[in-house]
Amino acid sequence: ILNVEQSPQSLHVQEGDSTNFTCSFPSSNFYALHWYRWETAKSPEALFVMTLNGDEKKKGRISATLNTKEGYSYLYIKGSQPEDSATYLCAFIGSWGKLQFGAGTQVVVTP
Amino acid sequence: DGGITQSPKYLFRKEGQNVTLSCEQNLNHDAMYWYRQDPGQGLRLIYYSQIVNDFQKGDIAEGYSVSREKKESFPLTVTSAQKNPTAFYLCASAPGDSYEQYFGPGTRLTVT
Repeated sequence: ILNVEQSPQSLHVQEGDSTNFTCSFPSSNFYALHWYRWETAKSPEALFVMTLNGDEKKKGRISATLNTKEGYSYLYIKGSQPEDSATYLCAFIGSWGKLQFGAGTQVVVTP
Repeated sequence: DGGITQSPKYLFRKEGQNVTLSCEQNLNHDAMYWYRQDPGQGLRLIYYSQIVNDFQKGDIAEGYSVSREKKESFPLTVTSAQKNPTAFYLCASAPGDSYEQYFGPGTRLTVT
């Protein structure tokens, strides 16, 4: 089992504030890193699929960066809104094709 | 509408009974996956299948079995050998050229 860690486990953000959190993963045998958003009572949905070192992806106010050499990815939320409240999961895919999920970062945005 | 369905949403069973969780997809995806989630933990891979009539064990396959007789279906059987079967089970599928997961709504299994 691979070591994919997310930190912090949870965070509370005031509406309008920006925040970021981390996914760390093995720096060898990298194939891809995915970010998913999992809202309460819904299914997880893919946010970003990242494959290249230095990748930066953006979707609205949410963006992600990738450093495969040091084995980490950051997810940023700019100007948090209550609808951003969710658990954010990262998944590491190694060169052999197996996925390993982190435990997630739970984000709560309060008005 | 294309998507993944899991049924039922809630399932209750008595200890010692086998139970099968359904997962169907009409996305024409080659790969299908079963995950388990426990409180405070991430998704843990139970089994996955990249092609019909073939499947591989994930990280926690003990006490579970699967079949992949059709591309659109990947049922999971939780056997009486699974020591802690009470959990939330998620099924996912992915296209053959990508690992991007498309998830079903999940089944919450309670065994007493």
